[in-house]
Amino acid sequence: GESVGLHLPTLSVQEGDNSIINCAYSNSASDYFIWYKQESGKGPQFIIDIRSNMDKRQGQRVTVLLNKTVKHLSLQIAATQPGDSAVYFCAENRGQAGTALIFGKGTTLSVSS
Amino acid sequence: DSGVTQTPKHLITATGQRVTLRCSPRSGDLSVYWYQQSLDQGLQFLIQYYNGEERAKGNILERFSAQQFPDLHSELNLSSLELGDSALYFCASSERGNQPQHFGDGTRLSIL
Repeated sequence: GESVGLHLPTLSVQEGDNSIINCAYSNSASDYFIWYKQESGKGPQFIIDIRSNMDKRQGQRVTVLLNKTVKHLSLQIAATQPGDSAVYFCAENRGQAGTALIFGKGTTLSVSS
Repeated sequence: DSGVTQTPKHLITATGQRVTLRCSPRSGDLSVYWYQQSLDQGLQFLIQYYNGEERAKGNILERFSAQQFPDLHSELNLSSLELGDSALYFCASSERGNQPQHFGDGTRLSIL
């Protein structure tokens, strides 16, 4: 079935660089999007969310951009640190299954110092 | 710490058996969600409860069932287990719909 997809399965950056993780979604009716970080042996950790009435939202060192025209979502991490190494998932709420989230396949971010 | 507690952390059992996974949501959260994470399927939504009532179903097998109790904790029951049921099972909770879901650290189920 349909799923939220990510452009790259892996991303390797140097400490201090800015990282950009991309995600494409397929359902125009989706109105809520979340980025999660998952470290080994842990559950997904909420990073930042954005609703469809916005195109940008900023947190601490992170920014999420939403382009509804091309159904694209991105997560920007500023000054990437080794502790940012993890798998990053985007998720969307399509409204079809209540408020359940549909997850993409994830991007593994590796940060070298 | 997300505030969501899942027990047990690990379960090892045999095919044909039945297990129960437990989840305590964050204080104040009324919605509980169950997800399955496997290498080939990624994170898949199973079922949602809101304040004790089933709210939505995803890709949940008929051999699986869940419930949410008056104190809002939830249990996921998996029966007639098959090798393919080996996976990580996560519980998440949120205050209400379309709010951030916060995940526990999961139960790793291994079927031998």
